[in-house]
Formats: sequence, structure tokens, C-alpha cells
Amino acid sequence: LAKTTQPISMDSYEGQEVNITCSHNNIATNDYITWYQQFPSQGPRFIIQGYKTKVTNEVASLFIPADRKSSTLSLPRVSLSDTAVYYCLVGGLGDDKIIFGKGTRLHILP
Amino acid sequence: GAVVSQHPSWVICKSGTSVKIECRSLDFQATTMFWYRQFPKQSLMLMATSNEGSKATYEQGVEKDKFLINHASLTLSTLTVTSAHPEDSSFYICSAIGRFNEQFFGPGTRLTVL
Repeated sequence: LAKTTQPISMDSYEGQEVNITCSHNNIATNDYITWYQQFPSQGPRFIIQGYKTKVTNEVASLFIPADRKSSTLSLPRVSLSDTAVYYCLVGGLGDDKIIFGKGTRLHILP
Repeated sequence: GAVVSQHPSWVICKSGTSVKIECRSLDFQATTMFWYRQFPKQSLMLMATSNEGSKATYEQGVEKDKFLINHASLTLSTLTVTSAHPEDSSFYICSAIGRFNEQFFGPGTRLTVL
């Protein structure tokens, strides 16, 4: 299982774009990269998933370089409600168990 | 999207009693579910993999006789914390694998052992 490394915490201001980078140097060929968001006392919520290059959905973008050893979650124009812990996870699809890293505690300031 | 529910959302019990937590996939069948535990300000820690119709697979350091897992149907997995003690107080979260291999998480159950 690929280990991930993220910044422990980040601060930003409302309306800014926030980029959170995750390192996963030993990612395997069949591994996907998935990002989750977790609010206090709630289960993690899926944000975005990708394999390579760029993926975009209605809430975020995910940038993955060609070597796939890192990835960057981009949150456009954050608001106070985006204050949460963000987890970068690497693993195969299906029945593969997921091991959570420490995550990044994002704090949005007014 | 697919929904995973947990019941109860919170429970308080006395030390020495057993507590059962249910995890249900509401609109899909899940042959595999996972159970996690999360202490305050910490990340989720995988406890075990629950497989429908077979024994659960526990992570290293997790006592299988203390945390009983039953996956009796394709939509229900239960975690029973036996003889609970204050150190078992935690936030327990389950997840289930959906039809397209996505992993959906439940809302969590807050267990407080007095």
C-alpha cells in the first residue's frame, strides 16, 4: 500500500484558491488517487479521484504529473465551509483496503 | 450517490457492557465493508475488513474477540464492542464498496464508555 505525505495544516482566506499537494512516491501501476473531505464528527466524503493528468468536477480539480508520484487537489474560491480535514489516499479500486494518512487540516479564514 | 448509514449515531454505555453498531448500504449491495476507528484529532484507523458470508479480516493489533464483526447480508455489517471500557470510547466509521468500486463512508457512531 502506497504511503502518502501531506502538509499537516494549511490556512487560507475566503475566495482564494487552495492547492494541497500529496506525495506518494511508491504508487503502484494500478493505484488510483482519491481525495476525501472530513468534517468533525462525520464520515469522510468523496471529493475527487484520478489516475493521471487532470480531473475536474463541480467542486475540485486534481492534477497528477506524468510520474504520478504526487498529486495536487485544487479547491477554487474556498469559503468558510471548506474548513475540514482533507485526506489523500492511494490504492486500487474495488476491494482493496484503504489506509488513511494523517490528512491536511485546512482552516479558512474570513 | 450511494448512501451508507450507521446506527446508532451515538451511544453511551457503562463499562463492561457490549455495544452493537450497524452499518447498512441503503441502495446497493456490498460484499465488502470496512470498519474504522478514529480518536480525536487523529486520522481514521482501519480495524477490519468485513466480507459477506465469511469471517472478517482484522488489522494487526485489533482484538477479534473484543470487536466482533458480522456481515450476514449484502447490505448489513455489524460491529459489536464486547465488554467495553473507557479506552474504547471513540468514533467508529464504516464504509462499503459500491457498484463501480467506489468506497462510500457512513456518518460514524460516537461511542462513549463511562
